[in-house]
Parts: sequence; structure tokens; C-alpha cells
Amino acid sequence: ETGVTQSPTHLIKTRGQQVTLRCSSQSGHNTVSWYQQALGQGPQFIFQYYREEENGRGNFPPRFSGLQFPNYSSELNVNALELDDSALYLCASSLAGSDTQYFGPGTRLTVL
Amino acid sequence: AQSVTQLGSHVSVSEGALVLLRCNYSSSVPPYLFWYVQYPNQGLQLLLKYTSAATLVKGINGFEAEFKKSETSFHLTKPSAHMSDAAEYFCAVSDQYGGSGNTGKLIFGQGTTLQVKP
Repeated sequence: ETGVTQSPTHLIKTRGQQVTLRCSSQSGHNTVSWYQQALGQGPQFIFQYYREEENGRGNFPPRFSGLQFPNYSSELNVNALELDDSALYLCASSLAGSDTQYFGPGTRLTVL
Repeated sequence: AQSVTQLGSHVSVSEGALVLLRCNYSSSVPPYLFWYVQYPNQGLQLLLKYTSAATLVKGINGFEAEFKKSETSFHLTKPSAHMSDAAEYFCAVSDQYGGSGNTGKLIFGQGTTLQVKP
């Protein structure tokens, strides 16, 4: 059974640029959630995707957007990057209606 | 709204000593509660979860937690600390569960760094 994978591992961007982060769900999982973890903080919920549609969103601006594909993999897109977007971005997959999310290793984004 | 408070951002214990990491939650509905561990430069690994069954929950690596509704607490314990337990620990509450294909979003505490001294 393959766990949750994320790519890339690290990424450096400059302010104003756009970035796409990718996530492959654990085998059989059809729901993907994204979290942002700033340095020294707990993760914060960005949004969740189920059946290729956004299924809940946290307190993040519209420049944070996502996609889920038919194979349940997902992308997180961030436009007009700001310095405060520097963080570890975590993807978590789950089976719809279950109580447990399984996390990937994360993508470390640095915005200069 | 749900929230989690972890008391103590840093906890230091000696190897072999009891580990106690504190978590208090706020929820208007019966909560689902979780403890995750994060090792440096890694993602989150589920240690254990409470989902309205037994109030004493046993997890991996010898950790356990007890759900106390009257105290709105879900403290994490381990009888004897090991050097490999040094990591960041996060308590989380889920805001909703099941129905409509949802998996509830997790609301995390600020985390507690556990240091284990030889």
C-alpha cells in the first residue's frame, strides 16, 4: 500500500510568483485535505476536495486554489505569492466519511 | 467553534521518566480527538485517536491518552520516555465527521516540543 506522497520536497519562489504543489493520495482514498504549517505553529486547514470539488475551506484568500483529479490526486495553487506564504504545506488523504486523515511528508515553500 | 489548547510549548523529561503532554479542547458537539507526532523535516504521523468508544485510548510506540469530558481534556502519556520520542506533538479536534462524504477538517493546537535528556 502506497502512502501519501507530495512533490516537490522543497521550493523557493519570489514574491508575486505563482506556485503549484502536488499530492498523490494513499491507495483507495478519495478525499484530500490541504494544510499550511507556518514555522513553530500547528497546521491550519486550507481546503478539502472530494469528488473533484471543493468540500470545505478554511480562512484563506481566493489566491489559494486547488484541484482534484479523477485518480484522486490533487494540486494546490497559490497565486501572487507573499512572504507570509512561506510554510510547510501538508496534504492529507482519507476515505470519505472516515475519521482519520493520513499525512504526506509536506512541501517546504520559501518565498523571498 | 472548536479549538484546542496545548499547555506547555516545551516539555523536557529524562529518559525513562513519565511523559505527560496536556491538551484541552473546546467543542459544542461530541468531539473526535487526535494526537499526531512530527519528527524534524517530516509530515504528521497519527499516534492515536478518540472517536467516542473507549475513553482510554492506546496508540503506537507505547503512548496512550484518556478522554475526560468533565475536564474537556485529552492528555497524552507514556510511562517511560525514550530518546526516540523527542519530536513535536500536536493535539487536534475534528469539527465534523461522516455524512455527505465529509472527513472533518482538523483543528490543531500550537504543538508541544518534547525533549528527552539522557
